[in-house]
Amino acid sequence: RKEVEQDPGPFNVPEGATVAFNCTYSNSASQSFFWYRQDCRKEPKLLMSVYSSGNEDGRFTAQLNRASQYISLLIRDSKLSDSATYLCVVSSGGSYIPTFGRGTSLIVHP
Amino acid sequence: DGGITQSPKYLFRKEGQNVTLSCEQNLNHDAMYWYRQDPGQGLRLIYYSQIVNDFQKGDIAEGYSVSREKKESFPLTVTSAQKNPTAFYLCASTLGFSRDVSNQPQHFGDGTRLSIL
Repeated sequence: RKEVEQDPGPFNVPEGATVAFNCTYSNSASQSFFWYRQDCRKEPKLLMSVYSSGNEDGRFTAQLNRASQYISLLIRDSKLSDSATYLCVVSSGGSYIPTFGRGTSLIVHP
Repeated sequence: DGGITQSPKYLFRKEGQNVTLSCEQNLNHDAMYWYRQDPGQGLRLIYYSQIVNDFQKGDIAEGYSVSREKKESFPLTVTSAQKNPTAFYLCASTLGFSRDVSNQPQHFGDGTRLSIL
């Protein structure tokens, strides 16, 4: 079983839609969680950290479910500019070496 | 502005040749990393360094070498032993490996694309 798993997609949604991605992780000792955005042929950029109580940044909401070992990213009112690959990143407390998921591709169309 | 600078942006390697990718950061970060990304794939860790003069192998270190003589610099050499070097190489850094610092995201350079001639 892979340490961090994401549905690769692509998720193809119209502008204005709400879309949600999940990411599951296998190491119950994982302590830090992040969502990154990667545009085509570019470097990953931090979108948001994921906190235990859940957190929101504008149209983006991240949640953590430790019992089921997954994190989620919800995007409301999708924009064309949201089209990208979204990477889930998990770090375990023992090593601080982050593990990246393969990413979920989002395509927002007019 | 602080950040990570990778150079060159594009690099071509001839068969049997070693090439070196540069990574410089002015964020005063202790930890630095090198990743490889193949098309449609996730990031795979090549090497990482927690502190100056120390580095550790990642998941795919064979055919690569690194050095960490200065805090700011973490160059990656792709040796002739790496038979399939064509990929997107990303350098990253984080503040440090201190357990007192939680939720440390990685900062990335804008990458180097390496191809075989």
